[in-house]
Amino acid sequence: ETGVTQSPTHLIKTRGQQVTLRCSSQSGHNTVSWYQQALGQGPQFIFQYYREEENGRGNFPPRFSGLQFPNYSSELNVNALELDDSALYLCASSPRTSGGDTQYFGPGTRLTVL
Amino acid sequence: QKEVEQDPGPLSVPEGAIVSLNCTYSNSAFQYFMWYRQYSRKGPELLMYTYSSGNKEDGRFTAQVDKSSKYISLFIRDSQPSDSATYLCAMKRTGANNLFFGTGTRLTVIP
Repeated sequence: ETGVTQSPTHLIKTRGQQVTLRCSSQSGHNTVSWYQQALGQGPQFIFQYYREEENGRGNFPPRFSGLQFPNYSSELNVNALELDDSALYLCASSPRTSGGDTQYFGPGTRLTVL
Repeated sequence: QKEVEQDPGPLSVPEGAIVSLNCTYSNSAFQYFMWYRQYSRKGPELLMYTYSSGNKEDGRFTAQVDKSSKYISLFIRDSQPSDSATYLCAMKRTGANNLFFGTGTRLTVIP
């Protein structure tokens, strides 16, 4: 069984640019959540996708947006990057039966904004 | 006040010691409690998952939830150098979509 995978592993952008991060959920998982983890902090919830629709959002501005595809994979898009967006971005998927209660994380994408 | 509080450490213990990691929380609606282990530059790995109050044991790991005190604990017996990592507590309300995390406690087990 393949776990959650994310790409790219890391990337460097400059302020004002746009970035797209990708996530493939674990086999059998239909719910994908995205989190931002700043250095030395716990992950903060960005949003969740279920059946290709946003299904809850944390305290993040609209320049953070996402998509979920029919195969349950997902993208996180961030526009107008700011220095504070530098963080580890984590994707988590949840099994069909758990309704999102048990979340399994991918390795993350480390984003640096200069 | 943060919804979940966790001492960031760092915590250093000798190999073989019993480790106690703790979190407190303020929201009495939390019903699901988790512990994740995160190695440096990796994603969090689910260690323990508990619903409501009580104890759960899995090998060298024991998770305890005391909802009356809004306090959860993770105990690691016979700690090993490979246990050196950051331990994150997380919790969730029934029907909610998101996990609330503590800041993580950095643990080092010294051989």
